[in-house]
Amino acid sequence: SQTIHQWPATLVQPVGSPLSLECTVEGTSNPNLYWYRQAAGRGLQLLFYSVGIGQISSEVPQNLSASRPQDRQFILSSKKLLLSDSGFYLCAWSVARGANVLTFGAGSRLTVL
Amino acid sequence: SQQGEEDPQALSIQEGENATMNCSYKTSINNLQWYRQNSGRGLVHLILIRSNEREKHSGRLRVTLDTSKKSSSLLITASRAADTASYFCATASGSARQLTFGSGTQLTVLP
Repeated sequence: SQTIHQWPATLVQPVGSPLSLECTVEGTSNPNLYWYRQAAGRGLQLLFYSVGIGQISSEVPQNLSASRPQDRQFILSSKKLLLSDSGFYLCAWSVARGANVLTFGAGSRLTVL
Repeated sequence: SQQGEEDPQALSIQEGENATMNCSYKTSINNLQWYRQNSGRGLVHLILIRSNEREKHSGRLRVTLDTSKKSSSLLITASRAADTASYFCATASGSARQLTFGSGTQLTVLP
């Protein structure tokens, strides 16, 4: 069966520090991968999605970047965090072809101080 | 940008009652999905309805879709305290490979 792992679960970082959130998927090949951000009490904002290794689409210009170094690995990064980067980050995957049903990770809570 | 907008933003009901949440969207869709999120957790897919379907059932869930009004509703029958969560609609449009989520309805079921 397919599983998705996302870490770390909780992160407290000072302004200006770097960020790396990692997501891996098991049990499937060539998944579509996604990073969403959720502000407190709000809906989900799509940040990045990837349909293959090295293929990254950015939905919102910002302080963040994403990389997909391996088929089932998706990394969200920042060189210098801003206060506004605080939020709940969710990784998700879907099959490459189909109805785009997403399976989410458990999320990473980032607080920038 | 938000494609779907849920209504109401918050809903509080007694256990055993039915809960209805609505979603409106703006553009043509391929399908519409509903997800559930427990506090501080990831989202879980509940049900998908395609643009050529009008109604779908799954257990205690009933989803309707009215493409002429660009709206959908999620009905949870005989609610339980464990149904307390946020519920989001999400739309898939055209050739886009991503979903666009609404802002969610916070459902509280009181025991």
